[in-house]
Amino acid sequence: GAVVSQHPSWVICKSGTSVKIECRSLDFQATTMFWYRQFPKQSLMLMATSNEGSKATYEQGVEKDKFLINHASLTLSTLTVTSAHPEDSSFYICSASHGTSGTEQFFGPGTRLTVL
Amino acid sequence: GEDVEQSLFLSVREGDSSVINCTYTDSSSTYLYWYKQEPGAGLQLLTYIFSNMDMKQDQRLTVLLNKKDKHLSLRIADTQTGDSAIYFCAETHSSASKIIFGSGTRLSIRP
Repeated sequence: GAVVSQHPSWVICKSGTSVKIECRSLDFQATTMFWYRQFPKQSLMLMATSNEGSKATYEQGVEKDKFLINHASLTLSTLTVTSAHPEDSSFYICSASHGTSGTEQFFGPGTRLTVL
Repeated sequence: GEDVEQSLFLSVREGDSSVINCTYTDSSSTYLYWYKQEPGAGLQLLTYIFSNMDMKQDQRLTVLLNKKDKHLSLRIADTQTGDSAIYFCAETHSSASKIIFGSGTRLSIRP
């Protein structure tokens, strides 16, 4: 149980385009979902926390107009990277939690974004 | 602020024990985790320990917690080639909604 999927697993796009990444909890209802980014050989950095039906809470330094997060249902959250640039190339990982606390998070397999 | 630190690399011989160390600064940490990340993949929760525990053992994995020194370790017994990965130490506390990750320790196994 507690499986989280992400789609796509990898994506290559041109600079200036927008890319949407989906995160789904397959066998449980995710009240809270988290979005992380991971640069090569670095740790995970939390970008934002989203609760179903409400606006996402962004970490300091993360542009909310550039990284649009939608958590419209208890099983789906999306991250849209708008007007992507090469510096946005990274590994994006989502996680999902049953409750509002982040103490038990189940991680997706990640999406590798490459912006040309 | 909250900080979690780990050494970046560890190399062990196949069959030996691996010990990965971690220190943290948040004295109110309630949960401490070890995650494993294989190349190009997401994170797999290996084990976690509550702050009121000193030790937790799960098959080949042993977690030791020294709360006074804010030191956490993960011991992998009989290390195998499949254990090659990056291991992340992480912490959170019950009132928080986010997990703070360390920088990860890359474990490599030599024959």
